[in-house]
Amino acid sequence: SYELTQAPSASVSPGQTAFISCSGDKLGDKYVAWYQQQPGQSPVLVIYQDNKRPSGIPERFSGSNSGNTATLTISGTQAMDEADYYCQAWGSSTVVFGGGTKLNVL
Amino acid sequence: DVQLVESGGGLVQPGGSLRLSCAVSGFTFSNYEMNWVRQVPGKGLEWVSYISSIGRTIHYADSVKGRFTISRDDAKNSLYLQMKSLRAEDTAVYYCARDLPGGDYEFDHWGQGTLVTVSS
Repeated sequence: SYELTQAPSASVSPGQTAFISCSGDKLGDKYVAWYQQQPGQSPVLVIYQDNKRPSGIPERFSGSNSGNTATLTISGTQAMDEADYYCQAWGSSTVVFGGGTKLNVL
Repeated sequence: DVQLVESGGGLVQPGGSLRLSCAVSGFTFSNYEMNWVRQVPGKGLEWVSYISSIGRTIHYADSVKGRFTISRDDAKNSLYLQMKSLRAEDTAVYYCARDLPGGDYEFDHWGQGTLVTVSS
């Protein structure tokens, strides 16, 4: 079965750029979405089709996907961006989520 | 505003059954593909099932195949998940999630979730 791998945690200082990666076999051939989940809240779509932002998502969120790695980039990270982030793709007739990365804004 | 409201969760014994519902509003339900996603408290997201608009195409995660059944009633603007032969490992918060229009299994709206606890 298809798997997506994320680092369990990442840290960034306020105002700096955060990079959260997601790896999978030939992931660049698939569309990747990213979700933000705050504690006690439902997930929120922040990036879809690799690099598109839904309406209402700040421009500081961007995405890329090539080769075996997709990356969520948060520019000018704010304290409110501290959350869990999940990548997601479709493969082999199933939806697959990465294990999630907890972003700490220190 | 788009709203998805799950219900039907609760405590059930191993081997038991439960039916979850998701009532939607704020969009034309019949035009959208829908999904169920679950999350063990404190853990990651796990996709459970997908149903296309009109219900012609259905997919399940291997972990629930043969035990769970997804369905929809467009007249009632509702999505369902019938769960049978429940196991302790099915304990989770269950979310319904709407596919992006014309999207590739990407979920632009989620409900608040309903907790299912399988325990004796």
